[in-house]
Amino acid sequence: EDQVTQSPEALRLQEGESSSLNCSYTVSGLRGLFWYRQDPGKGPEFLFTLYSAGEEKEKERLKATLTKKESFLHITAPKPEDSATYLCAVQALSGGSNYKLTFGKGTLLTVNP
Amino acid sequence: ETGVTQTPRHLVMGMTNKKSLKCEQHLGHNAMYWYKQSAKKPLELMFVYSLEERVENNSVPSRFSPECPNSSHLFLHLHTLQPEDSALYLCASSQEGGRSGELFFGEGSRLTVL
Repeated sequence: EDQVTQSPEALRLQEGESSSLNCSYTVSGLRGLFWYRQDPGKGPEFLFTLYSAGEEKEKERLKATLTKKESFLHITAPKPEDSATYLCAVQALSGGSNYKLTFGKGTLLTVNP
Repeated sequence: ETGVTQTPRHLVMGMTNKKSLKCEQHLGHNAMYWYKQSAKKPLELMFVYSLEERVENNSVPSRFSPECPNSSHLFLHLHTLQPEDSALYLCASSQEGGRSGELFFGEGSRLTVL
């Protein structure tokens, strides 16, 4: 069974204080790993897709990296508007479904001014 | 209208009521999804429609009944729900094939069952 574990559950940073969120996964062959951002009262917003170990993607202050067991979302010099819940999800290469994503519970990031 | 829109945004219903959630996507995608989001739990996939055919039904109780009349519209019909069904119900869409994991979500319908 595919599993995704995100840590920490919650993270509080000062503005400008860089840090990383972790997503550990087990999957029977990785089709893709996905990062989403969710603001309170809204649906998740797609950020990145990573397909293979060693791959990196960047968007503004966010950089996502991937190894064979985990992914990191690095946040450089965060601002209060980066406050949100960050969700990680994996899609398996096999197992019958091209549509199923297994999500983690998310990391609630709060950036204080 | 752009993206994925869901109505109603909030719904309160009794256990004997029948109601429906509606989703419409304006992205030209050909796959649509219903997800359930409960507090302290990961997102749970409920149903997937691809090209208007149901391709995934994730052991969801029969009191939830999906309907996809065309590639832009998706409904979730609700009847005789239980209080534990209270949650945020999210609709999403994606393009078929290799980018099927890149979901575009609506803002959700917050359901409270009394």
